[in-house]
Order: sequence, then C-alpha cells, then structure tokens
Amino acid sequence: EAQLLESGGGLVQPGGSLRLSCTASGFPFSRYAMSWVRQAPGKGLELVSGNSASGDRRSYAESVKGRFTISRDNFKNTQYLQMNSLRAEDTAVYYCARGDCSGGRCYSGFDIWGQGTVVTVSS
Amino acid sequence: DIQTTQSPSSVSAFVGDRVTITCRTSQSIGSHLNWYQKKPGKAPSLLISMASSLQSGAPSRFSGSGSGTDFTLTIRSLQPEDCATYYCQQGYDTPWTFGQGTRVEIK
Repeated sequence: EAQLLESGGGLVQPGGSLRLSCTASGFPFSRYAMSWVRQAPGKGLELVSGNSASGDRRSYAESVKGRFTISRDNFKNTQYLQMNSLRAEDTAVYYCARGDCSGGRCYSGFDIWGQGTVVTVSS
Repeated sequence: DIQTTQSPSSVSAFVGDRVTITCRTSQSIGSHLNWYQKKPGKAPSLLISMASSLQSGAPSRFSGSGSGTDFTLTIRSLQPEDCATYYCQQGYDTPWTFGQGTRVEIK
C-alpha cells in the first residue's frame, strides 16, 4: 500500500527555521513528482512547493519564494521542505502529496497524501 | 501563475439534490483539472482527475466535466457524507494552484 508519512512539525518562533520530512513507502518514489500543500487555520488549500521526480524542476508559491526550499533524496524515499524566516502566516497543517507529473504538467491529481504535520509559528 | 477561481464559495442543499460547483482558470489548461474533497481533520482526497476521470473508490454520484478554462463538479444526489469542502486544482503548469474551495452543507 502506498503511504506517505510527514514529520518535523512543531512550534517555532517568528524568524526561525524548521525542516519537514516526508517518507514514502509502497511505491517507486523516484518515479513520482512530490509536493507540499498546506492549510492554515480556517483557510483553503495552498500549494506550497512542488518538485519533479528527478528533483531538477522545482516550483514555489509566491508567498514562500526565497524562504522555503524543497528537495528530495530518491535513495532514502524522502522529500524535504526547509523553511526559513518563518512568519505567523506560515502556521498551518503541512501535507506531503504524490502526483503523476512530468515536464511541469500533471497527468493525474495528487492521489496519495500524508496525514499532515502541524507547524505553529508564534512567540 | 495560473489563477483558479471556484464558485460558489458555499452551497446548502437537501439530501438528494443535485449540486454543481464550477471552476474557472485564467488561461486554457486543456483537461488538466482535478477535484478534491476535504473534510476537517483529514487529508484531502482525490475525487476526479483530468477533468472527468473518476478515481477508483469514489462514489459514482460524483462527476466532472469541462475543458479549456471552464470546469464543473457535479454531485448527482447529495448524501450526508458529502458534507465537505471541495477544491479544484490545475495541473497544467507549475505551481499547480488550487481554487479557494466550496463548502457543501446539508439543509
């Protein structure tokens, strides 16, 4: 069974840093694009960042450009989200998701999701 | 970035009613449009991909249509378990943006 498991969330002060991890199992991780999606309290879903299967094509929401970095280790079946200069508005549940995407285009939706990890930015 | 706009923001209907949600994109995206169901405390669940392809396990009362810039999600006969927020997402170009969501409630 394909699964994703996020970790690394927690409470951090404004201006601080946090690294989220997402470990995959049950499917060939290196064949799939991966993304991070968040939902702030009372808000909708926001695509934070996406990464191609090989890790060479990355995209970011305008709200996190220059502060967040997505990466992946296909040998460890794990993707990461390095979050720097955190702000109160980054407080959210962060989900890891799998997509069948190549060349920047997706040929199916995000069909596998993790359970989410909570990030709280507060002093 | 491609803008993705949903309407209405919320809808209230009776059990058994037909419910329609629309999604419009700021440029043509072919059929690269997905629909998700999101319930509180749970991860989003993919309902429909590529505008009209129903995901395995999703109830057949859900259907999607459209191409280009205008898309529709239809719930043929609303059930109590369909109370959720529904999101469209374009998969045509990065970043793969979501619509702002449509909350579906039972009257």
